[in-house]
Amino acid sequence: SYEVTQPLSVSVALGQTARITCGGSNIGSKDLHWYQQRPGQAPVLVIYRNTNRPSGIPERFSGSNSGNTATLTITGAQAGDEADFFCQVWDNSIAFFGTGTKVTVL
Amino acid sequence: QVQLQESGPGLVRPSETLSLTCSVSGGSIRTLYWNWIRQPVGKGLEWIGRIHPSGSSNHNPSLNSRVTMSVDASTNKVFLDLRSVTAADTALYYCARGQEASGFDYWGQGTLVTVSS
Repeated sequence: SYEVTQPLSVSVALGQTARITCGGSNIGSKDLHWYQQRPGQAPVLVIYRNTNRPSGIPERFSGSNSGNTATLTITGAQAGDEADFFCQVWDNSIAFFGTGTKVTVL
Repeated sequence: QVQLQESGPGLVRPSETLSLTCSVSGGSIRTLYWNWIRQPVGKGLEWIGRIHPSGSSNHNPSLNSRVTMSVDASTNKVFLDLRSVTAADTALYYCARGQEASGFDYWGQGTLVTVSS
């Protein structure tokens, strides 16, 4: 089993920068993906393969992944960015999700 | 635009089998992997398993081989059976397309399954 940890919550002032971390052993060697889940909705892929944004995802979402920590950065957070965020990796053909981080925009 | 829609009974009795269907439209089911993911209400995401139309599949070892998945490419449907369910299997069940390099790029809206007598 592969353990992926995230902080329970992150708060950010409107228009400021939020950083959400995702930790795991040598996670930088894996393809890491990020999902945003708004209340009552299915998750949406916001970053794939560490740094790539799917079509339609705003440029304010960016990602990095190195060593034992991956980071999702929201630059200029908007009220609509309030959601739960999950990271996800594959290890030996098994998918593992992080524990999830609730982002609050103040 | 690929769309996924889960369907199945909302209530399953303990020890019975939970059976769900994922109907895929707007794209071919013949490539890529199709995954099942679940989420207990108010909690995190748990990957159940995946299947490729070629027959290749993987599942979460934590489910102790209770999982069977299949694909019907002629009807663009993906199926999940989860045997010997308990209350711990109560969750919102999602199907999603994806594999290692792409992430889960398309998701269904999810279907809530409650295990109760």
